[in-house]
Amino acid sequence: SQKIEQNSEALNIQEGKTATLTCNYTNYSPAYLQWYRQDPGRGPVFLLLIRENEKEKRKERLKVTFDTTLKQSLFHITASQPADSATYLCASNTGNQFYFGTGTSLTVIP
Amino acid sequence: GAVVSQHPSRVICKSGTSVKIECRSLDFQATTMFWYRQFPKQSLMLMATSNEGSKATYEQGVEKDKFLINHASLTLSTLTVTSAHPEDSSFYICSAEGQLGQYFGPGTRLTVL
Repeated sequence: SQKIEQNSEALNIQEGKTATLTCNYTNYSPAYLQWYRQDPGRGPVFLLLIRENEKEKRKERLKVTFDTTLKQSLFHITASQPADSATYLCASNTGNQFYFGTGTSLTVIP
Repeated sequence: GAVVSQHPSRVICKSGTSVKIECRSLDFQATTMFWYRQFPKQSLMLMATSNEGSKATYEQGVEKDKFLINHASLTLSTLTVTSAHPEDSSFYICSAEGQLGQYFGPGTRLTVL
């Protein structure tokens, strides 16, 4: 069955370091992948979208890569700050179905 | 742009009552809206896809008679939880399809006593 997975439930890093979150997909080929940020008790907020023909996308301190060979997307936050602490979700769709990963809870330690 | 609102943000009700949640796209039109449910420390689970002017498409295991969805206009979809029970207590989130993907509402916390 089609799956999208985020292997790490939680990630703790020191302030100023680069956080790297992983999203893997199996049994389908998404046309694009999206990354969202979700704070407790709030709906997800869209961050970045990367298409299958794009290797990398950047937005300020965020960088997303899409490797169709590895079936993987990496989400990087450079120069991380405590305010970046949140749950980050990857998501994609195939046809009419929209899949979310289970999310990675990032904690940036001051 | 691409703002989605939900109302109410929180609701507490007694078991057996019905609760209506509204989802509005404020500055764009959405022919397709989605309803999700999220339990603590879990990811979003798609409940149904709501299409303007037609019946909603429910995911497997979601009771369509219990979770009534109406998408009467291009900017409004409603989810009614009928005869709510404590196990229906959850965080309900809607989204609307925009140019860059889905835009999410802030969510509605439902607590059924």
